[in-house]
Amino acid sequence: AQSVTQLGSHVSVSEGALVLLRCNYSSSVPPYLFWYVQYPNQGLQLLLKYTSAATLVKGINGFEAEFKKSETSFHLTKPSAHMSDAAEYFCAVSDREGFQKLVFGTGTRLLVSP
Amino acid sequence: GAGVSQSPSNKVTEKGKDVELRCDPISGHTALYWYRQSLGQGLEFLIYFQGNSAPDKSGLPSDRFSAERTGGSVSTLTIQRTQQEDSAVYLCASSLGQGSETQYFGPGTRLLVL
Repeated sequence: AQSVTQLGSHVSVSEGALVLLRCNYSSSVPPYLFWYVQYPNQGLQLLLKYTSAATLVKGINGFEAEFKKSETSFHLTKPSAHMSDAAEYFCAVSDREGFQKLVFGTGTRLLVSP
Repeated sequence: GAGVSQSPSNKVTEKGKDVELRCDPISGHTALYWYRQSLGQGLEFLIYFQGNSAPDKSGLPSDRFSAERTGGSVSTLTIQRTQQEDSAVYLCASSLGQGSETQYFGPGTRLLVL
């Protein structure tokens, strides 16, 4: 069975600092991997996805993530945090076969201070 | 174009009542998913529809939960005899179809069972 582990339920950074949100996955088959962001009282918005092309994936709002098979990781980074980045971030994994239901991590709340 | 829409945005009901939650997927999307987001369980898959195929109901937590999709478009999630533990945000997502890995989420319906 697939699973995702997000380390740290809360991450605090200062505006302008590096953002690093950690995600490790477990999958018996090559996975699809996703990062979604959720702003208060809103649905999930796709930030970026890995589908086996380039291992370094660039997404919206300056975020990127690197797929590292040897470490079973897909960490999300952004060089310089903005106040508007404060939100909850979810890592998710799905199968390449079948109907590709998403299995989500528990989420990481990013707090950005001035 | 229009995204996934859900109604109502908020629903308060009394324990034991039935509720219906509606999802309008993106036009042309043949795959539709329901997820539940709750404090205790995080984000969890409920049910999946693909075209005219039988739905995958493997995530439904009990037989009080059911869903249908009429005409391959609008979907309704029904919860019978609601319990307090059903309180959660119910999220709907759609995608182009099997083999298309990107799911687009609606804003969710926040359900509170008193």
